[in-house]
Amino acid sequence: GEDVEQSLFLSVREGDSSVINCTYTDSSSTYLYWYKQEPGAGLQLLTYIFSNMDMKQDQRLTVLLNKKDKHLSLRIADTQTGDSAIYFCAESTSGSARQLTFGSGTQLTVLP
Amino acid sequence: GAVVSQHPSWVICKSGTSVKIECRSLDFQATTMFWYRQFPKQSLMLMATSNEGSKATYEQGVEKDKFLINHASLTLSTLTVTSAHPEDSSFYICSAREVRSSTNEKLFFGSGTQLSVL
Repeated sequence: GEDVEQSLFLSVREGDSSVINCTYTDSSSTYLYWYKQEPGAGLQLLTYIFSNMDMKQDQRLTVLLNKKDKHLSLRIADTQTGDSAIYFCAESTSGSARQLTFGSGTQLTVLP
Repeated sequence: GAVVSQHPSWVICKSGTSVKIECRSLDFQATTMFWYRQFPKQSLMLMATSNEGSKATYEQGVEKDKFLINHASLTLSTLTVTSAHPEDSSFYICSAREVRSSTNEKLFFGSGTQLSVL
């Protein structure tokens, strides 16, 4: 079945850039998503990218997709303490948001 | 933006009791809702797909008699953990699918329910 992998932890200094990486196994993945989960809150969709794109930028967020290596990354520029959260990548092969396969989540800690 | 309300946020219960978790879409109709389970430091695992007016579709390995799902209206799905045991302790999260057009749909997530079974 599909598998999505992420490293569990990342620490960065406030003001630095954060890069969260994700790899997936399903070559038929159509949509790739990044979600943010703050403590005690639900998942919030941050951004998504279609598999026919290799980059998407949205304010401080940049998503890079290397389809050949099945590697997805999320770069957060000028990381702030409010960015501390768990970030999940997820993939969907259905072409819609019906069902997602999630990674284990990366705990981002922003140090002052 | 669309909001999904999930209650309760946390619940502690004794072993053997049943617990009901509600998931409501507040400003859109959701014919499909999803229930996930998250263990600490592990991924969200899809448990079942809840379809309004029909039986839920369970993922492999999820006991349908243990985790009862009811989707009686377009805005409400419930998950009942029956005869809960300590191994059922987990974080449960629901999501609701908003279909805006044939090519535009989004998932919105509830805030999750932390279940602790003593």
